[in-house]
Amino acid sequence: NAGVTQTPKFQVLKTGQSMTLQCAQDMNHNSMYWYRQDPGMGLRLIYYSASEGTTDKGEVPNGYNVSRLNKREFSLRLESAAPSQTSVYFCASSEAPSAGANVLTFGAGSRLTVL
Amino acid sequence: DQQVKQNSPSLSVQEGRISILNCDYTNSMFDYFLWYKKYPAEGPTFLISISSIKDKNEDGRFTVFLNKSAKHLSLHIVPSQPGDSAVYFCAERSGYALNFGKGTSLLVTP
Repeated sequence: NAGVTQTPKFQVLKTGQSMTLQCAQDMNHNSMYWYRQDPGMGLRLIYYSASEGTTDKGEVPNGYNVSRLNKREFSLRLESAAPSQTSVYFCASSEAPSAGANVLTFGAGSRLTVL
Repeated sequence: DQQVKQNSPSLSVQEGRISILNCDYTNSMFDYFLWYKKYPAEGPTFLISISSIKDKNEDGRFTVFLNKSAKHLSLHIVPSQPGDSAVYFCAERSGYALNFGKGTSLLVTP
């Protein structure tokens, strides 16, 4: 059981380049999330999708777009990368936001460096 | 302003002793708090949660205490083991997502 799978694990971009981070879950979860982790900042929510067909902004959405491709997949796109987007990105999923504590299951992360 | 605060960036504890990780919050209207553990180069993993109707929740060596009047929760690990060395995040369930604190790095020394 793979859980949440993120690709790529590492990526180096030049300023202005674009790229898409892919995420897939095999737990039949309804909700999916993208967080970023920066030193001393904890985990900050970029976007989330409460259910297939819906997406909403989180705390730090500027410079990002998302697509909930189907129930399994949720991608994060950087249209024009900036050095401030250098970070570790985590995708997560949960059964449903109304389900008790809403425990999120996280992927292993994607480390992105923008030069 | 961050709604969930972990004011201690790091903590060092000897193996076998108790580790106490603290978290303060500002929002009184919450349903759940959760604790996550994170090893380097891995994603966070869920540890334990507590609902607003409880003061305590226990799971093996891990116990979370909730003090609603002080808006404070703590995670106790007893006894601490070297494998517990990791970054611990507290998180507040906020609408459809979780708001995380900045984390506390725990080092358990032999």
